[in-house]
Amino acid sequence: SQQGEEDPQALSIQEGENATMNCSYKTSINNLQWYRQNSGRGLVHLILIRSNEREKHSGRLRVTLDTSKKSSSLLITASRAADTASYFCATDVFRVRGLTFGKGTHLIIQP
Amino acid sequence: SAVISQKPSRDICQRGTSLTIQCQVDSQVTMMFWYRQQPGQSLTLIATANQGSEATYESGFVIDKFPISRPNLTFSTLTVSNMSPEDSSIYLCSVEEDHNEQFFGPGTRLTVL
Repeated sequence: SQQGEEDPQALSIQEGENATMNCSYKTSINNLQWYRQNSGRGLVHLILIRSNEREKHSGRLRVTLDTSKKSSSLLITASRAADTASYFCATDVFRVRGLTFGKGTHLIIQP
Repeated sequence: SAVISQKPSRDICQRGTSLTIQCQVDSQVTMMFWYRQQPGQSLTLIATANQGSEATYESGFVIDKFPISRPNLTFSTLTVSNMSPEDSSIYLCSVEEDHNEQFFGPGTRLTVL
């Protein structure tokens, strides 16, 4: 069953703008991971944030985690056409193996 | 991160047949997983591939339909048995590395006619 829900389901912005995607989940987690998928290809691991962390950065990516609200956000700054892809959050739940994925956000960057 | 390869990358199969997908990792890993991504959908965990013992299946997936082997710490196979068009999906293997990050193979795109 789906643990997370991404919001929005689809997002279209102009190149150079910032893109924000949100993820909500239902149960306590060990960590939360964000992935990118281009056109049905394999998943690219973007960033992992642990339950005791509130914010992490990697290049143009910024991830926040609010465990009290059971939510996370992924911010992509200064977007590029190459950022066009589907983005998924996935939760690693305590004492449960494997990841539970959200439904994903399809991001389109308009040149 | 580990380099993960899958074979085949894609296949078109007839209903009622079976297909075995291979997943090879370039380093030894303890945890390997198999996921399914149905068209236009997100990923769903099929099972954890356990080395030296039977795989652990998630609700809705059974060994008779998706037998899994894990003969060593670098290799696993997933078989999709007695296929129907509903089995048309992308099948992905993944490995968990030291810091709990999970990395995915390139996937196998299966079409069942």
